[in-house]
Amino acid sequence: EAQVTQNPRYLITVTGKKLTVTCSQNMNHEYMSWYRQDPGLGLRQIYYSMNVEVTDKGDVPEGYKVSRKEKRNFPLILESPSPNQTSLYFCASSLSVEGTQYFGPGTRLTVL
Amino acid sequence: GDSVTQMEGPVTLSEEAFLTINCTYTATGYPSLFWYVQYPGEGLQLLLKATKADDKGSNKGFEATYRKETTSFHLEKGSVQVSDSAVYFCALNSGYSTLTFGKGTMLLVSP
Repeated sequence: EAQVTQNPRYLITVTGKKLTVTCSQNMNHEYMSWYRQDPGLGLRQIYYSMNVEVTDKGDVPEGYKVSRKEKRNFPLILESPSPNQTSLYFCASSLSVEGTQYFGPGTRLTVL
Repeated sequence: GDSVTQMEGPVTLSEEAFLTINCTYTATGYPSLFWYVQYPGEGLQLLLKATKADDKGSNKGFEATYRKETTSFHLEKGSVQVSDSAVYFCALNSGYSTLTFGKGTMLLVSP
């Protein structure tokens, strides 16, 4: 089944404790992206990747890192999480930058 | 820059009522337009899309027409069901780097 998977689905952590949210797609998509969803703000893009080893900042990249070492995986790294990063995070992928994006199920992160 | 404006919710309807959720956009060039739906506790799913002016996207009884002259992509359904209760997001893609989303409109349908 074609899908985008994210892990973990739920995470509660404390300020400053490094964490990684994994994202994987099995559709051989070139384009991958991370979004955060906050009440009243909709979805905002954090980072995106056009292909392996090619990443770029979205609208709200501060406090996040990403890497794209393999085509299928696009992990989101929070090196020193803070409470303002408490949010619902979505990974998405598409065949190309213009193509329809397919979303993962989301990761709900709480930073205490 | 690109932007999407959609009507604020929640939109509250009775079953079988007619639905319209307004969406207007500003963008450079000729963007593709999308409606995504988010059911409670789930990720976003593509509902329908249109890639050029006057195209009509449709799926599951929902429709939206790409109107370049009014820069709009309003979502409509003739008869909503309780199972349509969800958050609906209008979005555009100018083909450069990102999907630009509206803030979402919650739809609540009561029996």
